[in-house]
Amino acid sequence: AQSVTQLDSHVSVSEGTPVLLRCNYSSSYSPSLFWYVQHPNKGLQLLLKYTSAATLVKGINGFEAEFKKSETSFHLTKPSAHMSDAAEYFCVVSDPNSGGGADGLTFGKGTHLIIQP
Amino acid sequence: DGGITQSPKYLFRKEGQNVTLSCEQNLNHDAMYWYRQDPGQGLRLIYYSQIVNDFQKGDIAEGYSVSREKKESFPLTVTSAQKNPTAFYLCASSEWRGARNSPLHFGNGTRLTVT
Repeated sequence: AQSVTQLDSHVSVSEGTPVLLRCNYSSSYSPSLFWYVQHPNKGLQLLLKYTSAATLVKGINGFEAEFKKSETSFHLTKPSAHMSDAAEYFCVVSDPNSGGGADGLTFGKGTHLIIQP
Repeated sequence: DGGITQSPKYLFRKEGQNVTLSCEQNLNHDAMYWYRQDPGQGLRLIYYSQIVNDFQKGDIAEGYSVSREKKESFPLTVTSAQKNPTAFYLCASSEWRGARNSPLHFGNGTRLTVT
């Protein structure tokens, strides 16, 4: 069965310092992986996606993520946090053949990123 | 600009009333989805549709109904049978459900409060 674990429900960093949001997954197949960001009372916006090409994926707003098959991880990073990065972040696994939701997607429960001035 | 429009942004209803949430997209996407979001629970799939006049139940379909009469529109009705309808509802679309690397495009949601 497919699953996603976001290891931290809340992460707090100071503005200008690095951001690390952790995501581990399990899937019996080679999945596609996504990170989405959600600002308060808004929909989700795609940050980046991994689809079995390069393992280091660059996204919007300076975010990137590295797919590590041996560790079943897809952690999201950013070298320097900005106040506008404060939001909820979701890691998502996609594999229609490997369980998960009826749409083949499994959402993590989210990580709330807090940026301290 | 292409995108997904959900309306209204906020909706208040009395218990026992049905209510319909609107979702319109101009991205020419085949697949559309409805998710429910509750604090600390991530997103849960209510219904999805791959083509016009066809839709499938998601993981939490009880108490909800949908229609897909046009490619652009996928309204969700929250019926009085839904026991805990107060939530944030998100509509999404994608190019093709079968393409597992096709990302979702989301609307800005409707916050429904039932008292």
